[in-house]
Amino acid sequence: QITLKESGPTLVKPTQTLTLTCTLTESALRIAGVGVGWIRQSPGQALEWLAVIYWNDDKRYSPSLKSRLTIAKDTSKNQVVLTMTDVDPKDTATYYCARRLTVLNAFDIWGQGTVVNVSS
Amino acid sequence: QSVLTQPPSMSAAAGQKVTITCSGSNSNIGINYVSWYQQFPGTAPKLLIHDNDKRPSGIPARFSGSKSGTSATLGITGLQTGDEATYYCETWDSLSPGLVFGGGTKLSVL
Repeated sequence: QITLKESGPTLVKPTQTLTLTCTLTESALRIAGVGVGWIRQSPGQALEWLAVIYWNDDKRYSPSLKSRLTIAKDTSKNQVVLTMTDVDPKDTATYYCARRLTVLNAFDIWGQGTVVNVSS
Repeated sequence: QSVLTQPPSMSAAAGQKVTITCSGSNSNIGINYVSWYQQFPGTAPKLLIHDNDKRPSGIPARFSGSKSGTSATLGITGLQTGDEATYYCETWDSLSPGLVFGGGTKLSVL
């Protein structure tokens, strides 16, 4: 069974750029219908979708965060990288990556999440 | 404020049935598939239902999903204390456009 694992800094200063990496245990990113998305959850809050990238390099972003986000994949490394610019304390959250299958229209496998604190 | 509305909390007795609703609009639930996720505190969400009413392998038949118009529902029968969790609906919103999650429903099993 494929697994996903998030990695990145635990502490980022305001206005800096946050870079998060999602590493998959299998080379799924070449398979048609496979996507990887990022979802975050601020403490005590609901899930918030950020971005998703598909096997064919199709990318979609949250309209409210689009100007600050970049998602990219490195198929050779089985990784998906999310970059968020100009972070703010409101970006403090647990960040999850998850596999999205077009045949399911859902995120079927999730990483454990990585906690990011934005503070000076 | 999510475009998908869920009751913040619900409670029901063990062994009973509960129905959690997710209300949307013609730009999201009305025309796109709905998924449901279960999340326990401190853990990642888990997929329960996809494509409105399909259960992934390993999800008990106690969990069911349905959709009618601009609303979707998650049903859980034979409630167990282990079902105490927060449940989220999710779909694509064609107006935004983007994926959207509901605000979540925290379920208590008495």
